[in-house]
Amino acid sequence: NAGVTQTPKFQVLKTGQSMTLQCAQDMNHEYMSWYRQDPGMGLRLIHYSVGAGITDQGEVPNGYNVSRSTTEDFPLRLLSAAPSQTSVYFCASSDVRGWVSRNEQFFGPGTRLTVL
Amino acid sequence: RKEVEQDPGPFNVPEGATVAFNCTYSNSASQSFFWYRQDCRKEPKLLMSVYSSGNEDGRFTAQLNRASQYISLLIRDSKLSDSATYLCVVNILNYGGSQGNLIFGKGTKLSVKP
Repeated sequence: NAGVTQTPKFQVLKTGQSMTLQCAQDMNHEYMSWYRQDPGMGLRLIHYSVGAGITDQGEVPNGYNVSRSTTEDFPLRLLSAAPSQTSVYFCASSDVRGWVSRNEQFFGPGTRLTVL
Repeated sequence: RKEVEQDPGPFNVPEGATVAFNCTYSNSASQSFFWYRQDCRKEPKLLMSVYSSGNEDGRFTAQLNRASQYISLLIRDSKLSDSATYLCVVNILNYGGSQGNLIFGKGTKLSVKP
């Protein structure tokens, strides 16, 4: 199993550009989520999904959109990039048996995004 | 009060030392507690869950004190390979529906020296 994969690994954008960060998992996990990690801030939840067709906002959703058309994929879209969105983005997935937040989160390798 | 607080460190210790990390959380209704490990420029990975009765995995021991809303991680006989950032993670029920989501502490950096 590849686990959780993310593309691209690195990206540089100009202010105002849009782009999509890709995330895929092959573990048949229903729960998927996106976090951003900034120096001194820890990981913060952007959006999450408990299954295909179901998404919800996390702690810092502004400026980002998500969709979940399949169990495997959970792309994150930056609508109009801003320097404040410079960060490392991690996608994660977990099983939903029992209580989601009791289960191990499996993280992708991350996407390092710089917005100029 | 921040939801999950950790001493940022860094903790610089010699090989073989015992080191303890502490974490406090603010939501008394939290039910799930974890320690994740994150190597430099890598993704976080689960180190261990933390149970009410305390639990041990080899050189690692985790403790939970619900009354004080306090979690700890003890590493005995530190190895060079233990050098990483250790993240305290707690579930939060006040958003995310009935199941809640996870809140990550900022992490404590450990550096084990020869």
